[in-house]
Amino acid sequence: DQQVKQNSPSLSVQEGRISILNCDYTNSMFDYFLWYKKYPAEGPTFLISISSIKDKNEDGRFTVFLNKSAKHLSLHIVPSQPGDSAVYFCAASSYNDYKLSFGAGTTVTVRA
Amino acid sequence: DGGITQSPKYLFRKEGQNVTLSCEQNLNHDAMYWYRQDPGQGLRLIYYSQIVNDFQKGDIAEGYSVSREKKESFPLTVTSAQKNPTAFYLCASKTGTSGNTIYFGEGSWLTVV
Repeated sequence: DQQVKQNSPSLSVQEGRISILNCDYTNSMFDYFLWYKKYPAEGPTFLISISSIKDKNEDGRFTVFLNKSAKHLSLHIVPSQPGDSAVYFCAASSYNDYKLSFGAGTTVTVRA
Repeated sequence: DGGITQSPKYLFRKEGQNVTLSCEQNLNHDAMYWYRQDPGQGLRLIYYSQIVNDFQKGDIAEGYSVSREKKESFPLTVTSAQKNPTAFYLCASKTGTSGNTIYFGEGSWLTVV
């Protein structure tokens, strides 16, 4: 049973606009959430994380929002750039749990 | 430079053969992981190891084996018992003391011919 879900397999956005990626989770024990970016045939790279004591974390163009009551998080990329075209994975775990659960990924395409 | 090195990048295997994928890290990380990615799917955990000489099965361990004789190394053997071995394999690691940010290697493509 998949505990982390990314229901949008793809997203197309114009360069300069905002990209919003969504992620839902079912395990109420999750308290640490991460976003990874992946190019084809490469390993995922860590983007940004958030713990459950926060509802927002910002790093440059990337902001992650956490809504614990809805078990929902989102990643905002502003402004979107062509180099942002990649697959984005949402991941979650319980603090100090050695395992991460990943969503299926959302493919973002930034149009010129 | 510190990092996680996987080899080989591309590997072809005949049906019925075992193959071993190498993973080495010089980050002094305690925990190491093997994930598998299939087209259009997320990352699924095969095996993980928290410390040397110890490892646990992940969600899809059948047909795979691992060893952790050294902190730096966590090789994965794909055995002939694995029904659908063609996939992209990712090794990862993390330190035991800095939360749950896992860092990944560049991946290895395994194709069964």
